[in-house]
Amino acid sequence: AQSVTQPDIHITVSEGASLELRCNYSYGATPYLFWYVQSPGQGLQLLLKYFSGDTLVQGIKGFEAEFKRSQSSFNLRKPSVHWSDAAEYFCAVGAFSQNNDMRFGAGTRLTVKP
Amino acid sequence: NAGVMQNPRHLVRRRGQEARLRCSPMKGHSHVYWYRQLPEEGLKFMVYLQKENIIDESGMPKERFSAEFPKEGPSILRIQQVVRGDSAAYFCASSPWTAQETQYFGPGTRLLVL
Repeated sequence: AQSVTQPDIHITVSEGASLELRCNYSYGATPYLFWYVQSPGQGLQLLLKYFSGDTLVQGIKGFEAEFKRSQSSFNLRKPSVHWSDAAEYFCAVGAFSQNNDMRFGAGTRLTVKP
Repeated sequence: NAGVMQNPRHLVRRRGQEARLRCSPMKGHSHVYWYRQLPEEGLKFMVYLQKENIIDESGMPKERFSAEFPKEGPSILRIQQVVRGDSAAYFCASSPWTAQETQYFGPGTRLLVL
């Protein structure tokens, strides 16, 4: 069964600084990989997803993620963080056929300093 | 084009009562998924339904929890005889039948059991 690890529970960055959120997954084949963002009291919004093709994926709000098969990683990056990016970020891995094998990481809480 | 709707947004129940959580998928979506988010944790998959069918309930607790997605009306997640450990945020997602990997999440129902 697949699993997802987000090693950083909480990250603080200054506004305008670059950001990288780590995600490592475990899965036998190439899964779907996702990054979601959750603002306080809200649902999850999909930032980007990857299944095949170019390993560098562009998402909404200026985010991108790179799939590295050799490292089983799918790290999320943003070159310049805005205060509005403060939220909880979840990496997820999924396989979809008969069942819904969608597994989420525990999340990384991002704080943005002015 | 309304997104996934969930109600109520907040629900307070005393131990032993029943909780009913409703989810209306996005227009044109025939697949519904329920997830539970415990404090400081990621989302855990509970159940996957199509109209009038439960496709995957591998994440559902064996007792007290049930889900349905009738031909008409919203999907219902029902928790009988609630206990304090049921306190969590319950999220519903929906997808078109052709793209299970593209799940759109609702704002969630926050259940508090006193």
